[in-house]
Amino acid sequence: EPEVTQTPSHQVTQMGQEVILRCVPISNHLYFYWYRQILGQKVEFLVSFYNNEISEKSEIFDDQFSVERPDGSNFTLKIRSTKLEDSAMYFCASSEAGGPVIEQFFGPGTRLTVL
Amino acid sequence: AQSVAQPEDQVNVAEGNPLTVKCTYSVSGNPYLFWYVQYPNRGLQFLLKYITGDNLVKGSYGFEAEFNKSQTSFHLKKPSALVSDSALYFCAVRSSGNTPLVFGKGTRLSVIA
Repeated sequence: EPEVTQTPSHQVTQMGQEVILRCVPISNHLYFYWYRQILGQKVEFLVSFYNNEISEKSEIFDDQFSVERPDGSNFTLKIRSTKLEDSAMYFCASSEAGGPVIEQFFGPGTRLTVL
Repeated sequence: AQSVAQPEDQVNVAEGNPLTVKCTYSVSGNPYLFWYVQYPNRGLQFLLKYITGDNLVKGSYGFEAEFNKSQTSFHLKKPSALVSDSALYFCAVRSSGNTPLVFGKGTRLSVIA
């Protein structure tokens, strides 16, 4: 069964450093998403991406964040200058189509720890 | 604004007993409701969804969920719990259009042999 994969599983970084979180969505999927979950809190939507551009983004997704699909398989989330409050589990997801009724398939997550 | 509440952080149930994991939601417009499960070191796995029609939705691994519009609830159920059902369960909602998926905090289910 095809799966969304994410690397690394755990990333530790110093405050102010740039991090890139990587995701490989399911191959025939066209819509891509990033979510995060701060420890003990809800899973929060960050951004959705379709046709090489951002289609939706939340208030969390400010200028410090960017997404990219650098090639035909990877989907990345970059945080330019990490803050302590960026420490969270980051989930990548993909779906074969858009719209509210289509289920999204999630990766196992990257745990980001900012020191 | 959309929101989801999962009132229980933890649910404990004996193996073989029925289980219920509660979820209530708030949306403007028609709700589209989802349950996901997360096993250790794995991604969120889709279990089932409600779009329209029959209020009782059947999903993977013997799970089902009942949509109740008047109570704005979408509780997850299983008639007979297995130890292997022990995991973190997330309820999520979307409304029409391009609104993002909104999750609850998650409920940890522990099935005891």
